[in-house]
Amino acid sequence: NAGVTQTPKFQVLKTGQSMTLQCAQDMNHEYMSWYRQDPGMGLRLIHYSVGAGITDQGEVPNGYNVSRSTTEDFPLRLLSAAPSQTSVYFCASSRDRSTEAFFGQGTRLTVV
Amino acid sequence: AQSVTQPDIHITVSEGASLELRCNYSYGATPYLFWYVQSPGQGLQLLLKYFSGDTLVQGIKGFEAEFKRSQSSFNLRKPSVHWSDAAEYFCAVGAQGGSYIPTFGRGTSLIVHP
Repeated sequence: NAGVTQTPKFQVLKTGQSMTLQCAQDMNHEYMSWYRQDPGMGLRLIHYSVGAGITDQGEVPNGYNVSRSTTEDFPLRLLSAAPSQTSVYFCASSRDRSTEAFFGQGTRLTVV
Repeated sequence: AQSVTQPDIHITVSEGASLELRCNYSYGATPYLFWYVQSPGQGLQLLLKYFSGDTLVQGIKGFEAEFKRSQSSFNLRKPSVHWSDAAEYFCAVGAQGGSYIPTFGRGTSLIVHP
């Protein structure tokens, strides 16, 4: 049972580059979300989705885009990377927004 | 809006000692409450959850938590800490229905001394 799979695990970008962080889950969960984790800041919600075709902004959405074309996949796009986006990114899924979340292993992103 | 406060950024305990991590929440009705653990370099894993019923809930790895509505708290406890318990612990609150989205506390880092 794979659960939530995130790729890549590590990435270094130059300022201004774009990239997509991949997230896939095999549990048929409706609710998916992206968080960034920075020292002393805990988890901050970037974007979330309550089902295929439906996405919404979280606490820190600027500089990121998401889409949800299928139930399984929820990619996070960095449009023009900035050093302030250096962080660890986590994707999570749950049956719905009120139940426990299953997290991926994270992507450590460095923007230079 | 709902919120979660974990007042302790770091907690240091000796191996074998008891542990209590504090969590306070703000929410207008009965919340759904969770504790997650994050080992270094890993994602978060659910320790336990409270939805309704018995206010003392048991979780994995010997952890338990007690929901106290009068204090708006959901503190995590363990009677005897093991060195492998060193990790980051997050409290989270959710809600049934409506437009609420899960909210996480900022985390408490547990350091275990031998």
